[in-house]
Amino acid sequence: KNEVEQSPQNLTAQEGEFITINCSYSVGISALHWLQQHPGGGIVSLFMLSSGKKKHGRLIATINIQEKHSSLHITASHPRDSAVYICAVRNGQNFVFGPGTRLSVLP
Amino acid sequence: DGGITQSPKYLFRKEGQNVTLSCEQNLNHDAMYWYRQDPGQGLRLIYYSQIVNDFQKGDIAEGYSVSREKKESFPLTVTSAQKNPTAFYLCASSPVGVLAKNIQYFGAGTRLSVL
Repeated sequence: KNEVEQSPQNLTAQEGEFITINCSYSVGISALHWLQQHPGGGIVSLFMLSSGKKKHGRLIATINIQEKHSSLHITASHPRDSAVYICAVRNGQNFVFGPGTRLSVLP
Repeated sequence: DGGITQSPKYLFRKEGQNVTLSCEQNLNHDAMYWYRQDPGQGLRLIYYSQIVNDFQKGDIAEGYSVSREKKESFPLTVTSAQKNPTAFYLCASSPVGVLAKNIQYFGAGTRLSVL
């Protein structure tokens, strides 16, 4: 069993749809990160969470520490949101990464 | 602009050859990391370094070597002992310390293929 799991593995949506990507983890963490990897491979950090909820533009990230679960929501999705979204947890000094969710938003 | 620069973007390795991937950062970060990404898998840690002249093995260090002679640079050598080197390699850096934001900053990656 992987320490960090994500669902779904792949997701196709129509432009404008509300999208949810889930992350579950089995290790103790000090923080959880959501990352976005563009088709070219570059990775950018979207959020760092240790509790509650954060919002940035059309992106919302929540975390439930007791249930060891986090969700990333995208409102009013757009084709430029197409990317791989990666959940990563900080366990001690290092990070453990989920396998990623590949999102395709169709116009 | 501050950031992490990886080079080359694409690299080809012949059988029995060692190749070196470059990673340079001007963010003044103490910690640097090398990850390997394979299709359908999460990033896996190869090596990391928290300070100059010191580095630690990650989960999949066999067949790889690193050096950290300067704070800005953390090159990764893929040796001939690595039998399946074809992958996407990502370098990252982060600040350390009590006030560090725990955020890693990533380079654009190097795609390594075997000829």
